[in-house]
Amino acid sequence: EPEVTQTPSHQVTQMGQEVILRCVPISNHLYFYWYRQILGQKVEFLVSFYNNEISEKSEIFDDQFSVERPDGSNFTLKIRSTKLEDSAMYFCASSPTGISVLTFGAGSRLTVL
Amino acid sequence: DAKTTQPNSMESNEEEPVHLPCNHSTISGTDYIHWYRQLPSQGPEYVIHGLTSNVNNRMASLAIAEDRKSSTLILHRATLRDAAVYYCILTHDMRFGAGTRLTVKP
Repeated sequence: EPEVTQTPSHQVTQMGQEVILRCVPISNHLYFYWYRQILGQKVEFLVSFYNNEISEKSEIFDDQFSVERPDGSNFTLKIRSTKLEDSAMYFCASSPTGISVLTFGAGSRLTVL
Repeated sequence: DAKTTQPNSMESNEEEPVHLPCNHSTISGTDYIHWYRQLPSQGPEYVIHGLTSNVNNRMASLAIAEDRKSSTLILHRATLRDAAVYYCILTHDMRFGAGTRLTVKP
């Protein structure tokens, strides 16, 4: 069964450092998403991406965050200058259309020290 | 904020049916209702979705109210592996609420 893969599975970084989280969506999917989940809290929507541009973003997705699809397969989330409160699990998801079922990756755990 | 509301937690006994409710009173005519679940230490996984008619798959059934302002996820025979947080979301929102934490007792 096709799956969404995320790397790294766990990253530890110092506050103020830049972090890039990578996702390989399912190959024929066109819509891509990032969510985050702070430990013990709910899954929070960050951003959706379609046709090489952001289609929607939440209030969490401020200027410190950016997304990119640098080639035909990867979808990345960059955090420019990490803060302690960015420590969370980050999930990538993809879907074939904007109203289809989301397939989630296993997540990337980010720990900011 | 998410456009759905769910009870924070529910309990079930193993092998018994479980009905997990979701309210979505502001649903639009083109919104699909999706259900996902998150097992401990995993990402959310798809369970079932529907638009107007009730739906069945190998995991669960989805009962949608006639006015579409609420829905119920039905697990016909809960197992210990069904213990998870269950979320309902609407397609044009894609935001998760707090979900319902289902505990299954042996």
